[in-house]
Amino acid sequence: AQSVTQLGSHVSVSEGALVLLRCNYSSSVPPYLFWYVQYPNQGLQLLLKYTSAATLVKGINGFEAEFKKSETSFHLTKPSAHMSDAAEYFCAVSDPNTGNQFYFGTGTSLTVIP
Amino acid sequence: DAMVIQNPRYQVTQFGKPVTLSCSQTLNHNVMYWYQQKSSQAPKLLFHYYDKDFNNEADTPDNFQSRRPNTSFCFLDIRSPGLGDAAMYLCATSRGQGPRWEKLFFGSGTQLSVL
Repeated sequence: AQSVTQLGSHVSVSEGALVLLRCNYSSSVPPYLFWYVQYPNQGLQLLLKYTSAATLVKGINGFEAEFKKSETSFHLTKPSAHMSDAAEYFCAVSDPNTGNQFYFGTGTSLTVIP
Repeated sequence: DAMVIQNPRYQVTQFGKPVTLSCSQTLNHNVMYWYQQKSSQAPKLLFHYYDKDFNNEADTPDNFQSRRPNTSFCFLDIRSPGLGDAAMYLCATSRGQGPRWEKLFFGSGTQLSVL
C-alpha cells in the first residue's frame, strides 16, 4: 500500500527565505509522487509531479522537488518565499500499476512572514 | 475555460436530512472522484467513476452514495447526514487511469455544514 508522511503540519518562513516542506513516501513499487497546493476556500491545484523521469522536478511558481529513492523522500523547495505562497501544501502518491488512486498526506500549512 | 464546477459552494443541512452535492466538468474526462476533506486533514477518497463503472473505497460509509448520469455530471448523495459528515467535499477528474493520465483536476469544493 502507498502512503505519504508530511513532517510538520505548520511551517513559517520569512519573506525571501528558503521554503522546505518535507514529504516521505512508503510504496512497494516505484511510485508517482505529487505536490498539490490549496489556497483558502479553493480546490487543490497541481504544483509538480514525479513520474519516473528526471529526479529533480520543476513546477509552477518557482517550486521544485527532488525524488530521492535512498531516502524515500520527495521534499518541496523554493529558494525565496513570497507572500502569495501562503497556503496548504499536500504531498500525494499513486501506484501506476493499480489504477492510480491518489493518496494524500495530511498537509503542511505554510505561513510567510513579511 | 474547461473546468470542474461544484455547486453549491456552501451547503447547510439538518441532521438526518438527505443532501445532494453536485459536480460538473467540461473537460470530457473519463474519471470523476469524490474526496472528503475534514478540517486540517488530508483529502480522503470516497469513491470514483471510470465512465459508468463505480468504484467504492472499502471504508466509505454506506451513508454515502454517488450517481453519474452522464460524462459531465456526478452527484454525491448523503442519505442521513451526521455531525461527523461536516466537511469540505472535493470533486476531481482525470482523463483516464494509468501512467499517462496521472493528473487530477479539482473543483473548488462544497463546504457542508450539518446542524
